[in-house]
Amino acid sequence: AQSVTQLGSHVSVSEGALVLLRCNYSSSVPPYLFWYVQYPNQGLQLLLKYTSAATLVKGINGFEAEFKKSETSFHLTKPSAHMSDAAEYFCAVSGQAGTALIFGKGTTLSVSS
Amino acid sequence: DADVTQTPRNRITKTGKRIMLECSQTKGHDRMYWYRQDPGLGLRLIYYSFDVKDINKGEISDGYSVSRQAQAKFSLSLESAIPNQTALYFCATSDNLREGQYFGPGTRLTVL
Repeated sequence: AQSVTQLGSHVSVSEGALVLLRCNYSSSVPPYLFWYVQYPNQGLQLLLKYTSAATLVKGINGFEAEFKKSETSFHLTKPSAHMSDAAEYFCAVSGQAGTALIFGKGTTLSVSS
Repeated sequence: DADVTQTPRNRITKTGKRIMLECSQTKGHDRMYWYRQDPGLGLRLIYYSFDVKDINKGEISDGYSVSRQAQAKFSLSLESAIPNQTALYFCATSDNLREGQYFGPGTRLTVL
């Protein structure tokens, strides 16, 4: 079985500051891991994914995430926050023979000027 | 044109009414899903289908039913809506979970 825990339901940063959104997963099989972003009144958009290739994954809009098996983590980072990054972010996991993605509860990112 | 469309986008209904939410996709994917999103709870899986003859319950299927009319169409029904079914509903498709899932824009349902 798989599960996802996102630490912190709300993260606030200043424009230009580092963004760090935390995700820990549990999986009995090698996982696929994903980060999605949801802007207000929109659907979910795939930011990046880990599928057992490189452990450091680069996504859209300058985001990246590192898969750390020893820590069962897949934290999302961006070196410099922009106002347009304000959104809700979801981490998701699936086993390689999984039937659907299992989502965390989400982290709302606020960016102040 | 959007790859995954949902109708209606917004719906307000009353307790006890039957409601159908529709999803269509042009991605050619076999797998389709219905999720509901509630504040602070993330997305929870209601039903999923791997082809027209394959329907499976998800985590929270009670009070819901689905119909897979064609490879491209997957409908969610609330037979007798209740207020705690007020939520944002998303349809998603997938070819292979290695590539992730693709989401529609969502349907905001309010049950009074």
